[in-house]
Amino acid sequence: GENVEQHPSTLSVQEGDSAVIKCTYSDSASNYFPWYKQELGKRPQLIIDIRSNVGEKKDQRIAVTLNKTAKHFSLHITETQPEDSAVYFCASSSGTYKYIFGTGTRLKVLA
Amino acid sequence: DTGVSQNPRHKITKRGQNVTFRCDPISEHNRLYWYRQTLGQGPEFLTYFQNEAQLEKSRLLSDRFSAERPKGSFSTLEIQRTEQGDSAMYLCASSLNGGGGETQYFGPGTRLLVL
Repeated sequence: GENVEQHPSTLSVQEGDSAVIKCTYSDSASNYFPWYKQELGKRPQLIIDIRSNVGEKKDQRIAVTLNKTAKHFSLHITETQPEDSAVYFCASSSGTYKYIFGTGTRLKVLA
Repeated sequence: DTGVSQNPRHKITKRGQNVTFRCDPISEHNRLYWYRQTLGQGPEFLTYFQNEAQLEKSRLLSDRFSAERPKGSFSTLEIQRTEQGDSAMYLCASSLNGGGGETQYFGPGTRLLVL
């Protein structure tokens, strides 16, 4: 069935360093890949997304890359700050519109 | 606040009771989704509506679960004869039909605890 694998499950980085979170999807029909940030007890918030006709997208300190051949996509956060600490979820979506989420990565940015 | 809203935010119930949750989407959004999230996991899709039509239901949605969106605006999710395994965060999201690859905006969720 449809599946999204996400790694690592936890990630600790020093403030100012970069963080990379990787996801792999199984459904070759997937065409939209959003990333959400979820702070404790709060709703998931979209931070960046990418469509299948684009290989890379950047928004300030955040970037996402997509390799359709390998069915991989990754989130890159540069110059990490303590407020980046949260759980990050990747997701994939195809023509059925529902999202298939990864299992999440708990990012801790150490001051 | 023009975002997605959900009520109640928290619900504690005893096993066997029925519960109903409400979701109010962003006003112009025609698609509405329900997800369930357990501790340490990503949200899992339950069902979605386009306007008032329920177009897809997950196998996770047993016959004790029913969802409605009678006028294509707000939606309700009812769980009958609750079980302890139903304890989770129930998230609602909405999106605007843009021909695929739509951003879903999430509500704050209803946290259900079944004792």
